Amino acid sequence: DSGVTQTPKHLITATGQRVTLRCSPRSGDLSVYWYQQSLDQGLQFLIQYYNGEERAKGNILERFSAQQFPDLHSELNLSSLELGDSALYFCASSVGGRASVEQFFGPGTRLTVL
Amino acid sequence: DQQVKQNSPSLSVQEGRISILNCDYTNSMFDYFLWYKKYPAEGPTFLISISSIKDKNEDGRFTVFLNKSAKHLSLHIVPSQPGDSAVYFCAASWRGGSEKLVFGKGTKLTVNP
Repeated sequence: DSGVTQTPKHLITATGQRVTLRCSPRSGDLSVYWYQQSLDQGLQFLIQYYNGEERAKGNILERFSAQQFPDLHSELNLSSLELGDSALYFCASSVGGRASVEQFFGPGTRLTVL
Repeated sequence: DQQVKQNSPSLSVQEGRISILNCDYTNSMFDYFLWYKKYPAEGPTFLISISSIKDKNEDGRFTVFLNKSAKHLSLHIVPSQPGDSAVYFCAASWRGGSEKLVFGKGTKLTVNP
């Protein structure tokens, strides 16, 4: 158990809909990262938040947005969903703001868009 | 443009033998490399890392080798155990720059008893 929790575990929705994925980092970790893993793909970095502020951005679509709240939990919002958005979404956390350190990953949320 | 490549989608070895997982990268700015292991229905877990100032790092049964001139790294597991069966991801980072982790697609290792 990494100490990072993600909800829900599974999500099935339709094209055009909007969903919210939630992540609680390990106790004491200030950074939260979001990754997308599509079929046969590696983990694609989406975005990083550090202590409530956006720290780094990766290949995140404009339809996607994220935020980190004062209690340090984070939410990833995906809107106008397309079939290609079906993927595993992982959240990770780390103590500091540097991304090139050991990151602790949650179990992921599997999103299926029908 | 895939900057981190793991060209072998799968690898099968016998228990007790050596497992060698390979990773190539194209971005010469990368200066820090990590290996993660992932079991089904779980998130990746950190295994071992190496800085570009080293060419080898060892942790128990796991050793990572870095060949900067070839832009190649490898993870050696000796001896391999059935519990090592998992997907292994190589990741790279540019500590002097954006720092974000760039992952390969993974290699599925199966260790047969």
